[in-house]
Amino acid sequence: DAGVIQSPRHEVTEMGQEVTLRCKPISGHNSLFWYRQTMMRGLELLIYFNNNVPIDDSGMPEDRFSAKMPNASFSTLKIQPSEPRDSAVYFCASSLPRDTEDTQYFGPGTRLTVL
Amino acid sequence: DQQVKQNSPSLSVQEGRISILNCDYTNSMFDYFLWYKKYPAEGPTFLISISSIKDKNEDGRFTVFLNKSAKHLSLHIVPSQPGDSAVYFCAASLSHNAGKSTFGDGTTLTVKP
Repeated sequence: DAGVIQSPRHEVTEMGQEVTLRCKPISGHNSLFWYRQTMMRGLELLIYFNNNVPIDDSGMPEDRFSAKMPNASFSTLKIQPSEPRDSAVYFCASSLPRDTEDTQYFGPGTRLTVL
Repeated sequence: DQQVKQNSPSLSVQEGRISILNCDYTNSMFDYFLWYKKYPAEGPTFLISISSIKDKNEDGRFTVFLNKSAKHLSLHIVPSQPGDSAVYFCAASLSHNAGKSTFGDGTTLTVKP
């Protein structure tokens, strides 16, 4: 399996522009997570889906952020409009929770820079 | 309220010695704990886990200890190797919660040759 795939790997944009980050989870995994990592706040959970349904979006910082999972093999995280403080590494992870295993498999991340 | 805390941002050890990374949690309902390792420019990767029904789990050079009464877990790496240099994240979850984990801020381990 190719693992969790994220695109783009790097994104540089100007303040006010729309940014869309993409994620393809591991085939067969039914949970998908979006995280943001910054120096100041560490690894923050933004939102997670179970069976394509958003379960907990309490970590989404504000209305400028939105996430969708139209099917089991694709998810997007959109920021509109983007701001310099959104600059961070955004990770997508997927998992197949079982009674004895809760391991998440992370993608390589998208490094976002908002100028 | 940070439910999972790694109070040491960094740790430096000599190659061959033991590395001990610590993690504290506040939610007594957590029943599954994981350690992830992260290299620069990569996503975190799963390292080792422990269920709350155990107090120790060992995998090669890596051992995780869980002290439920103290709400504390630790990761021991022995012997430490330069390739172990990375950021280590502690995570905790409720096993019924569809895999959602709460992560600590991470500890940067540097193993010197």
